[in-house]
Amino acid sequence: GAVVSQHPSRVICKSGTSVKIECRSLDFQATTMFWYRQFPKQSLMLMATSNEGSKATYEQGVEKDKFLINHASLTLSTLTVTSAHPEDSSFYICSARGGLAGGDEQFFGPGTRLTVL
Amino acid sequence: DAKTTQPPSMDCAEGRAANLPCNHSTISGNEYVYWYRQIHSQGPQYIIHGLKNNETNEMASLIITEDRKSSTLILPHATLRDTAVYYCIVRSTGANSKLTFGKGITLSVRP
Repeated sequence: GAVVSQHPSRVICKSGTSVKIECRSLDFQATTMFWYRQFPKQSLMLMATSNEGSKATYEQGVEKDKFLINHASLTLSTLTVTSAHPEDSSFYICSARGGLAGGDEQFFGPGTRLTVL
Repeated sequence: DAKTTQPPSMDCAEGRAANLPCNHSTISGNEYVYWYRQIHSQGPQYIIHGLKNNETNEMASLIITEDRKSSTLILPHATLRDTAVYYCIVRSTGANSKLTFGKGITLSVRP
């Protein structure tokens, strides 16, 4: 199956700082990328959808100014958590879809564990 | 996208078949049934998907009822590494379609 990577896998930061998470599709071109968030013992919640070269579409209740998404190329999307607070601590997972290898299926990255102190 | 209903949990013995049910009574004609699983602290892993015919791959089989209102994921010989949360999701194709995760079913494979 197609491979999606995320970096970093784990990050700890102080309250008020910003954190950037990278998501890459390694062997296919991702026309669409998705960002999810998962709190302990809960399911994945979709935060936003981004198409290459376009502004991201955010789900209801997700602050676009706090969670900045950039999908500048067909293989890279970034999520920046600005002015992070302890309540932003969560497991962030990206997903990618599209391209010859990926088809219409959606493949997920391994996730990034964010802890805000 | 239509919603799905899954039991919260089930278990099975190692080496036996695990049959995971899913109800999707409001599925539309153009919506596929997808199955993913999530092993603790990892990203979801794609397993299989289908529209109306039964499907099989190296991981599992997917049986969809004729009326498409329910389906069953079959892991033919469960191993301890199959212990995970399994998500049944219905999704249409197209650029604007999204995978919306429910609570899933927690499968515990016992030795």
